[in-house]
Amino acid sequence: DGGITQSPKYLFRKEGQNVTLSCEQNLNHDAMYWYRQDPGQGLRLIYYSQIVNDFQKGDIAEGYSVSREKKESFPLTVTSAQKNPTAFYLCASSMLAGSYNEQFFGPGTRLTVL
Amino acid sequence: GENVEQHPSTLSVQEGDSAVIKCTYSDSASNYFPWYKQELGKGPQLIIDIRSNVGEKKDQRIAVTLNKTAKHFSLHITETQPEDSAVYFCAASDSGAGSYQLTFGKGTKLSVIP
Repeated sequence: DGGITQSPKYLFRKEGQNVTLSCEQNLNHDAMYWYRQDPGQGLRLIYYSQIVNDFQKGDIAEGYSVSREKKESFPLTVTSAQKNPTAFYLCASSMLAGSYNEQFFGPGTRLTVL
Repeated sequence: GENVEQHPSTLSVQEGDSAVIKCTYSDSASNYFPWYKQELGKGPQLIIDIRSNVGEKKDQRIAVTLNKTAKHFSLHITETQPEDSAVYFCAASDSGAGSYQLTFGKGTKLSVIP
């Protein structure tokens, strides 16, 4: 089955620790995205990448880092510099061919800082 | 940048009634408007989308309308069923800008009462 996988589903972290969230897609999509979701806040874009070895900051990139070494993988690192990291994190991907960008989402990772 | 406002934030309807969710956007260059449904603890799933060259689109019990002059679009769900209960997000995109980013509304929690 084609799709987007995120792991782990639940993640617990102590304050001051970095943690990396995994996102993999086998849809052969060019672009990948990371969103943060908080209650009542909708989805806010953290980082996105349109091509391997290139990525751009979204609206709330501070305290996060990403890499795009392979087309199918786009891991997100939540660093200790992120002041309020507890949230639901969503990864998405889309094709860039054509004029529109239907985005497909993974199941999400819920991060809790203890 | 683009700004998307979504109303209402919560909506309760009786089973069998219709539900309407409305969104407005600020960037007149936006040309793609998807709607996502998110069930508890899961990633959002695309349910319908509309391009700027179309005024209305239907898919069984779901329809979306777009008014480019007024810069607003709406989701209509007819004959609601308990399984329609979820959070719904609208979004807007200006793919012509080359960034392929989606800007999301803050979501509407729909409850269908049996």
